[in-house]
Amino acid sequence: RKEVEQDPGPFNVPEGATVAFNCTYSNSASQSFFWYRQDCRKEPKLLMSVYSSGNEDGRFTAQLNRASQYISLLIRDSKLSDSATYLCVVLMDSSYKLIFGSGTRLLVRP
Amino acid sequence: SQTIHQWPATLVQPVGSPLSLECTVEGTSNPNLYWYRQAAGRGLQLLFYSVGIGQISSEVPQNLSASRPQDRQFILSSKKLLLSDSGFYLCAWSDQGNTEAFFGQGTRLTVV
Repeated sequence: RKEVEQDPGPFNVPEGATVAFNCTYSNSASQSFFWYRQDCRKEPKLLMSVYSSGNEDGRFTAQLNRASQYISLLIRDSKLSDSATYLCVVLMDSSYKLIFGSGTRLLVRP
Repeated sequence: SQTIHQWPATLVQPVGSPLSLECTVEGTSNPNLYWYRQAAGRGLQLLFYSVGIGQISSEVPQNLSASRPQDRQFILSSKKLLLSDSGFYLCAWSDQGNTEAFFGQGTRLTVV
């Protein structure tokens, strides 16, 4: 089983749609969680950290469920510029090992 | 502010040739450092990470090696490249603690 698993996508949605991505992790001792965005042929960039209480940044909402070892990202009112690959990232226990999921590709169409 | 430098941006190397990719971080001390590889259309594979000078953890057995000769310098090397070593190599750093990582712009390596 992979340490971090994501919906493979691609998700093809119209502008204005709401879309949700899921991610599961296998190590219950994982300490920190993040969502990154990667544009084609570019380096990944931090989108947001994921906190136990859930957190929101504009149109983006991240949720963490430690009991189910599950992380989600919700994007509301999708924009064309949201088209990218979204990577779920888990920091493993105290080793500082940072593991990326394989990513979910989002295509927002006009 | 902190910055990360990774070079070169692109590289074409023949099979069997050596490789050295360098990554340096400025504006912080004792960072965690990471090397990842991304094959075309695939996710990021963790190759090596380091929590301090001379401390290297290897994730995937292969013909690559990493070194950290200075606090903010991380080097990825190979003595003899294989075709399968082609990919997008990314260096990243994070502060000690449970913090996010920041990436260099990557090196696109093509082994021919």
